[in-house]
Amino acid sequence: EPEVTQTPSHQVTQMGQEVILRCVPISNHLYFYWYRQILGQKVEFLVSFYNNEISEKSEIFDDQFSVERPDGSNFTLKIRSTKLEDSAMYFCASSLQGAANYGYTFGSGTRLTVV
Amino acid sequence: QKEVEQDPGPLSVPEGAIVSLNCTYSNSAFQYFMWYRQYSRKGPELLMYTYSSGNKEDGRFTAQVDKSSKYISLFIRDSQPSDSATYLCAMTSNTGKLIFGQGTTLQVKP
Repeated sequence: EPEVTQTPSHQVTQMGQEVILRCVPISNHLYFYWYRQILGQKVEFLVSFYNNEISEKSEIFDDQFSVERPDGSNFTLKIRSTKLEDSAMYFCASSLQGAANYGYTFGSGTRLTVV
Repeated sequence: QKEVEQDPGPLSVPEGAIVSLNCTYSNSAFQYFMWYRQYSRKGPELLMYTYSSGNKEDGRFTAQVDKSSKYISLFIRDSQPSDSATYLCAMTSNTGKLIFGQGTTLQVKP
């Protein structure tokens, strides 16, 4: 069964450093998303991406965050200057159509720890 | 009022029991309702998807949506220890943005 692959599975970084979280969505999917889950809290929407541009973003997705699809297969989330409160599980997801039709396929996540 | 509310549990049942999981929501614009299962340190896995009100059945799982009450349910029949996980409800209007509930932790004891 096709999978969404995320790397690394765990990343530890110092406060103020830049991190890039990487995702390989399912190959024929067109819509890409990032969500995060702070320990013990809800899964929260960060951003959706379609046709090489951001479709929607949440208030969490401020100027410290950016997304990119640098080639035909990867989808990345960059955090420019990490804060302690950025520590969370970050999930990438993709869908063939918008989530309203079929739901997403999520990756297994990257655990980001900011120290 | 929170947009989506879900009792976090934990919920513990014996093997073979019928499990009922529920969410309430406040946004009447939500039209698409989903249930995800999440195992520890894994991403959410889509279990059921329902559009608008009504029931949907898939094997041991039944999803119900009552838009008039803003209430959705997931029933698991003949529960198994392998069903032990966190169950997340999620919903959306007509965008790609899913709003999740807190998740209910379920333990099915052999």
